[in-house]
Amino acid sequence: SYVLTQPPSVSVAPGQTARITCGGNKIGNINVHWYQQKPGQAPVLVLYDDSDRPSGIPERFSGSNSGNTATLTITRVEAGDEADYYCQVWNNDSEHFVFGTGTKVTVL
Amino acid sequence: EVQVLESGGGLVKPGGSLRLSCAASGFTFSTYSMNWVRQAPGKGLEWVSSISFSSGFKYYTDSVKGRFTISRDNAKNSLYLQMNNLSAEDTAVYYCAREVTSTSDPTAYTPSYFDYWGQGTLVTVSS
Repeated sequence: SYVLTQPPSVSVAPGQTARITCGGNKIGNINVHWYQQKPGQAPVLVLYDDSDRPSGIPERFSGSNSGNTATLTITRVEAGDEADYYCQVWNNDSEHFVFGTGTKVTVL
Repeated sequence: EVQVLESGGGLVKPGGSLRLSCAASGFTFSTYSMNWVRQAPGKGLEWVSSISFSSGFKYYTDSVKGRFTISRDNAKNSLYLQMNNLSAEDTAVYYCAREVTSTSDPTAYTPSYFDYWGQGTLVTVSS
């Protein structure tokens, strides 16, 4: 089965930049989507198709995808960005959606 | 305003059954694929099942195949998940999620991503 690996945690000071990686075999060949989930809440889509932002998502959220790694970058981090973040893809071989293992972003 | 609202969760004994429902509003339900995603307590997101807008395509994660059945009633703007032979490993919050759908061809399925989620319904499997 297709596995998406994320670092369990990322810590960042306010105003700095957080980078969250999502590793998968040849992930650069497929579209990656990202979700933010705050405690007790449903996930929210923050990026789709590697780097596109839904309406209402700040420009501080950006993404890239190449080779075996996709990256969600949050610039000028704010306290409100503290959450769990998940990447997601569709795996054609298994005909399954796959979520990454999740990354907890802590704002120091 | 797009809304999806899950219901039907609760406490069930191992081996029991439960049927989850998801009521959709604020969009043309019959033109969107829909999904169930679950999250065990303290764990990450796990995709469970997908159904295309026409019900022509249905997919399941391996651990629920043969036990869970996804269905929809476009006339009632509703999505369902029939869960049988439940085990403790199925304990989770179950989310209903709308999938962005770019095709109107009922013979095609173009998987994408989930743009609207419900607040979830908790399923607890315990004796």
